[in-house]
Amino acid sequence: EVQLVQSGAEVKKPGESLKISCKGSGYSFTRYWIGWVRQMPGKGLEWMGIIYPGDSDTRYSPSFQGQVTISADKSISTAYLQWSSLKASDTAMYYCARRDSTGTFDIWGQGTMVTVSS
Amino acid sequence: EIVLTQSPGTLSLSPGERATLSCRASQSVSSSYLAWYQQKPGQAPRLLIYGASSRATGIPDRFSGSGSGTDFTLTISRLEPEDFAVYYCQQYGGSPPWTFGQGTKVEIK
Repeated sequence: EVQLVQSGAEVKKPGESLKISCKGSGYSFTRYWIGWVRQMPGKGLEWMGIIYPGDSDTRYSPSFQGQVTISADKSISTAYLQWSSLKASDTAMYYCARRDSTGTFDIWGQGTMVTVSS
Repeated sequence: EIVLTQSPGTLSLSPGERATLSCRASQSVSSSYLAWYQQKPGQAPRLLIYGASSRATGIPDRFSGSGSGTDFTLTISRLEPEDFAVYYCQQYGGSPPWTFGQGTKVEIK
């Protein structure tokens, strides 16, 4: 079965760092882009960025450039999203998703809820 | 960056009725690289339509997509109880970012 499994919910304080993960299985992880999507509470989907695990080519939305870092470790079929200094406004559900041959996100992770509160 | 505007924000309909959702782009979407996703509460989005009009694997034929250029439509021919959800369009042509619309909620009237 093709699936993406994300790491569990996180509760952090402002200023702390965080790295969440997305592990792919059931397919060749290095051959598909993995994207990250933010969904703030009660709001819509926001496209954050995308990485090609085969060579770590990464693209960011201008809205998220410099705010987060996307990376991947192809040896363990895992993509990451990280923050160096969290803000309360980073509180959201974060989804990873696989970009398939049509260019769309065909497989989604279950989401990781990140709560940032003092 | 292409901005997608969905309308209406909320659609109140009864089961069995037809739903028509609109997605308008701020500039032409290349090669009709427009997708539609469905999201139910507490769940990840699910791909419905890609290439403006092609149904994804396992999607019932009551869902159909149409349009080109800057104007796209998702139609649900007869609403089933499980279709009440939020729907998002996404453009994925050209260079990133591959943006989403703000969503249309289809609710039970």
